Amino acid sequence: DAKTTQPPSMDCAEGRAANLPCNHSTISGNEYVYWYRQIHSQGPQYIIHGLKNNETNEMASLIITEDRKSSTLILPHATLRDTAVYYCIVRVGDSGYALNFGKGTSLLVTP
Amino acid sequence: GAVVSQHPSRVICKSGTSVKIECRSLDFQATTMFWYRQFPKQSLMLMATSNEGSKATYEQGVEKDKFLINHASLTLSTLTVTSAHPEDSSFYICSARDATSGYNEQFFGPGTRLTVL
Repeated sequence: DAKTTQPPSMDCAEGRAANLPCNHSTISGNEYVYWYRQIHSQGPQYIIHGLKNNETNEMASLIITEDRKSSTLILPHATLRDTAVYYCIVRVGDSGYALNFGKGTSLLVTP
Repeated sequence: GAVVSQHPSRVICKSGTSVKIECRSLDFQATTMFWYRQFPKQSLMLMATSNEGSKATYEQGVEKDKFLINHASLTLSTLTVTSAHPEDSSFYICSARDATSGYNEQFFGPGTRLTVL
């Protein structure tokens, strides 16, 4: 799996957009970018994934640069319940192997 | 859909006893389940991969005789911590892979907090 780099922590005001960056400069052509988050004392929750096109679902948007070396997860209107650790994981789409969690970004949404 | 449950959510036991944790996929069949462990302020660490009907594959440094994994059906995997000691106190999380999804989406259980006194 390609290695990912994320800032250790970020703050965001409630109601504003939270933009979480991820660098994955060694990503291979068949590797997807996955985002999960973990709210304190809960299991991780799947957010979104993408290969090269931008993706959007009810939770977030994923913007992947054209060279695919970095991506940004966008929470359009952050709420206090979005406070969590966010993990960016690069993975072959259907490898069947476990997810390799790095240290992630601890996002704090403040009132 | 794609719900994974774990039982119990929290357990406290005495040193030397064994504890069984169940992981169930409620609305899909999981040919593969994974067990992770998470110590305070650390990330999830994979312990083992469990495939239905076969022996689990353990990560380096994880004692297979201490952490017994059984995956007897497509919806249930169990982790038994044998002769638990205080250093086994941790947050244990399972995940299940929906083999039909094609995108390696994995769905996680809510976790089990184990405290060994």
